[in-house]
This record gives sequence, C-alpha cells and structure tokens, in this order.
Amino acid sequence: ETGVTQSPTHLIKTRGQQVTLRCSSQSGHNTVSWYQQALGQGPQFIFQYYREEENGRGNFPPRFSGLQFPNYSSELNVNALELDDSALYLCASSPGDRVSRETQYFGPGTRLLVL
Amino acid sequence: AQRVTQPEKLLSVFKGAPVELKCNYSYSGSPELFWYVQYSRQRLQLLLRHISRESIKGFTADLNKGETSFHLKKPFAQEEDSAMYYCALRSGNTPLVFGKGTRLSVIA
Repeated sequence: ETGVTQSPTHLIKTRGQQVTLRCSSQSGHNTVSWYQQALGQGPQFIFQYYREEENGRGNFPPRFSGLQFPNYSSELNVNALELDDSALYLCASSPGDRVSRETQYFGPGTRLLVL
Repeated sequence: AQRVTQPEKLLSVFKGAPVELKCNYSYSGSPELFWYVQYSRQRLQLLLRHISRESIKGFTADLNKGETSFHLKKPFAQEEDSAMYYCALRSGNTPLVFGKGTRLSVIA
C-alpha cells in the first residue's frame, strides 16, 4: 500500500508568482484535504476534495484553488503569492466522503518559501 | 468558533518521569478530539482519538467536557516519545482544527 506523496519537497518563489503543489492520495482513498502550516503553528485547513468536487473550504482567499483528478490525485494552486504564504503545505487523504468521519493520512509536505 | 489551545510550546521531562501534555478546547457542541504526533523527519500521524478510548504507545487521553480538556498522559516517558504533539478537534462536518503544538523532549 502506497502512502500519501507530495511534490515538490520544497521550492522558492517570489511575490506575485503562481505555484502548483501536487499530492497523490493513499491507495483506495478518494478524499483529499489540504492544510497550511506556518512556522510555529498547527496545520490550518484550506479545503477538501471528494470525487473531483470541492466539499469544504477554510478561511482562505480565492487565490487558493485546487483540483482533484479522476485518479484522486490533487493539486493546490496559489496565485499572486504573498510573503505570508511561506509555509509547509500538507496534503491528507482519507477513504470516505465526509471530513468528520475518517482518519486522515498525511503526506510529508511541501515547504514553500516566498521571497 | 472552534479553538484548540496547547499552552506549552515545549515540555522537557526526564526518562521514566510522567508526562502530561495539556490541551483545552472551546466548542459548545459535542466535539471529537484527537492527538497527532510528528516524530523527527516523519510525517504527521494520528496517535489516538477520544472515541476509541485506547492506549497507544502507553499514551492515554480522557475527554473532560466539564473542563473542556483532552490532556495526553503517559506514566513513564521514553526517549522515543520525543516529538511534536498536536491536539485537534472536529465536530459534525467541520474539518480538523489543530492547536499550535507542544514539543516534548525526553531527556535521558
């Protein structure tokens, strides 16, 4: 059984640029959630996708968007990057369709630095 | 609003000493509480959840609704327990809300 994988492991961008982060769900999981973890903070929920549809969103602006593909892999896109977007971005997958019922399995994260 | 508070950023204990990592939450309904752990160079993983009422790696946590707490305890700390610990809450269809975490350092 393959766990959650994320790419890239880290990257550096400048303000105003756009970035795409990728996540492959654990085998058999059809739900993926994205979290932002700023330095010294706990993970903060960005949004969740189930079967290619967004079905939950945290308090993040529209420039944070996502996609889920038929194979249940996912992308997180951030436009017009700001310095405060510098963080570790975590992807988590779960087998069910409801955030409230399933254990989430986390990937190793992508560390983004915005200069 | 849901909130999870972990008052200690860092907790250092000696090997063999008891450990208690504090977690308080604010939510008026019936929340589900979790402890997640992140060992050095490893990914975030679920340690235990209150509905399971289980002991994992010697750790237990009891949900105290009166005090709105979910403290994590272990009677005898081991060096391999050194890690970052996060308390988290969710209720109904809401996503996980995490605390800021406590770094546990077990000194040999």
